[in-house]
Amino acid sequence: TAGITQAPTSQILAAGRSMTLRCTQDMRHNAMYWYRQDLGLGLRLIHYSNTAGTTGKGEVPDGYSVSRANTDDFPLTLASAVPSQTSVYFCASSPGTGLYGYTFGSGTRLTVV
Amino acid sequence: DQQVKQNSPSLSVQEGRISILNCDYTNSMFDYFLWYKKYPAEGPTFLISISSIKDKNEDGRFTVFLNKSAKHLSLHIVPSQPGDSAVYFCAATRYNQGGKLIFGQGTELSVKP
Repeated sequence: TAGITQAPTSQILAAGRSMTLRCTQDMRHNAMYWYRQDLGLGLRLIHYSNTAGTTGKGEVPDGYSVSRANTDDFPLTLASAVPSQTSVYFCASSPGTGLYGYTFGSGTRLTVV
Repeated sequence: DQQVKQNSPSLSVQEGRISILNCDYTNSMFDYFLWYKKYPAEGPTFLISISSIKDKNEDGRFTVFLNKSAKHLSLHIVPSQPGDSAVYFCAATRYNQGGKLIFGQGTELSVKP
């Protein structure tokens, strides 16, 4: 089934450790996004990429980094995790940067202790 | 600064009745609005959208209304079914923002048999 694959599904991470959340899509979408979902705050954009080789900062980029070496993959890295990064992380993609809806992955539940 | 607001965290409706979910926005430059539906442990899925040149869009049991002067949109579900029980997010974007979606906090709809 075409779509977005996120890994891992869930993770418990010690504070101060690093981690990379993986995201792969097979729809050849140009644009990709990382959001975090927190109760009462909805979905907030962390980083985005309009096309392979480019990235940009969203609403809440601090403590996160991304890369977009090719069209399909858009990993999100936490260099030194803190408890406030406990959240559910969603990767999404869209065909382009026009007025399109997103396709979302199933999410990664991260707990930083 | 929450540009898209869903002020009702939850809504409970009887099966067969109408569900009305509300969303307000502050940025008058938004020109495209979307509703997403999210089940537990899954990613959000696109439900329905509306362009700012329209005031209504209908798709089966789902209708979205847009009141630009009030900066308000609403999603009507008629008739409501138990399978509609989910969290609903509204989102907004501007074409010249590269299609990045700004989401509201979400409203959890419970449809009781």
